[in-house]
Amino acid sequence: ILNVEQSPQSLHVQEGDSTNFTCSFPSSNFYALHWYRWETAKSPEALFVMTLNGDEKKKGRISATLNTKEGYSYLYIKGSQPEDSATYLCAFYHPGSNYKLTFGKGTLLTVNP
Amino acid sequence: DAGVTQSPTHLIKTRGQHVTLRCSPISGHKSVSWYQQVLGQGPQFIFQYYEKEERGRGNFPDRFSARQFPNYSSELNVNALLLGDSALYLCASSLEDRSGYGYTFGSGTRLTVV
Repeated sequence: ILNVEQSPQSLHVQEGDSTNFTCSFPSSNFYALHWYRWETAKSPEALFVMTLNGDEKKKGRISATLNTKEGYSYLYIKGSQPEDSATYLCAFYHPGSNYKLTFGKGTLLTVNP
Repeated sequence: DAGVTQSPTHLIKTRGQHVTLRCSPISGHKSVSWYQQVLGQGPQFIFQYYEKEERGRGNFPDRFSARQFPNYSSELNVNALLLGDSALYLCASSLEDRSGYGYTFGSGTRLTVV
């Protein structure tokens, strides 16, 4: 059974704060790690697909890093805005996983104005 | 592009009934996956189809079945509904069957079983 753990479970920050959260996944047999942003009443939106150890990806004020050897990825948000409020999900894929993404439970971010 | 569309958006069914959920992928996407999401949990994998063939099946009972049509749209069927089947059902499409590409999700179908 694959376990993908995300922490913290929820986070409240003030507008303008920078924040980060963690996704932990099995370090063996890695293929890809996905990050999604899921706003209430909308569909999950792909942020990043990361495949190489040491990968760093950036999209506006959001960036992510990947360490496949130790099995973790960090998501950073610089200068949080209220519109960043959402659940951030990571999902792990490895060959032999029956073609599925295994999701964590997500980190619920609330940015207060 | 219309994105991934799912229908219906909400549905209320009685225990023991059958339900069919529908999904239209992004044009050009040949892979469709189905996930179940219950409150407090991440989405759980149900099925993946690619080029009309089942490529993967999650840990769900045989009451759950799916198929993909020649136009790559897909249906998820659930028989003999149980209260525990109440959940948000998400459909996701991608270019290929392997997850080196990000998935595009629909907004989901909220199923309530009473």
